Amino acid sequence: AQSVSQHNHHVILSEAASLELGCNYSYGGTVNLFWYVQYPGQHLQLLLKYFSGDPLVKGIKGFEAEFIKSKFSFNLRKPSVQWSDTAEYFCAGTSGSARQLTFGSGTQLTVLP
Amino acid sequence: NAGVTQTPKFQVLKTGQSMTLQCAQDMNHEYMSWYRQDPGMGLRLIHYSVGAGITDQGEVPNGYNVSRSTTEDFPLRLLSAAPSQTSVYFCASSPWGGLQETQYFGPGTRLLVL
Repeated sequence: AQSVSQHNHHVILSEAASLELGCNYSYGGTVNLFWYVQYPGQHLQLLLKYFSGDPLVKGIKGFEAEFIKSKFSFNLRKPSVQWSDTAEYFCAGTSGSARQLTFGSGTQLTVLP
Repeated sequence: NAGVTQTPKFQVLKTGQSMTLQCAQDMNHEYMSWYRQDPGMGLRLIHYSVGAGITDQGEVPNGYNVSRSTTEDFPLRLLSAAPSQTSVYFCASSPWGGLQETQYFGPGTRLLVL
């Protein structure tokens, strides 16, 4: 079965620290990977996505993620976090013909001012 | 455009009661879906629809019914609520349900079953 794993459940950082949130997937074949973010009291929204081409993808608000096929990973990074990045971050993926988006368990990021 | 809207925002039910969670979108999207979000488990797909008159089950369909009579609306029905259905429910839509499409989410409905 397809699965997406996020191993960091809660990350606490100070402003200006660098961020890396882990995401691993267990699909075979072609994969499409996403990072969604849920700010407090807001809808989930797309941060970035990868489906082909350059494995380093850039998203909104200075976030980027790198697809490493050999490690089955799609980690999210940001060089310098801000207090406003406090949110829950979800990695998700689709593969093959399955019209289902599979989510990881989410990582709560708290950025201290 | 309002995007994806959900009603109600919050609901309390007693065990055994039924209710319908409403979801509507005004983007003319063919694909709509329902997820539930539980702490430590992320979002899990309940049901989805690839167009009017077509629905299918997701990962956790038991206890829920859906129908899709129009492109715009995709209600989720709880026939006999159970405490295990206490959760936050999100509706989402995308143009065709393609594997690379961005999903657009509604604001969520928080459901408490006593």
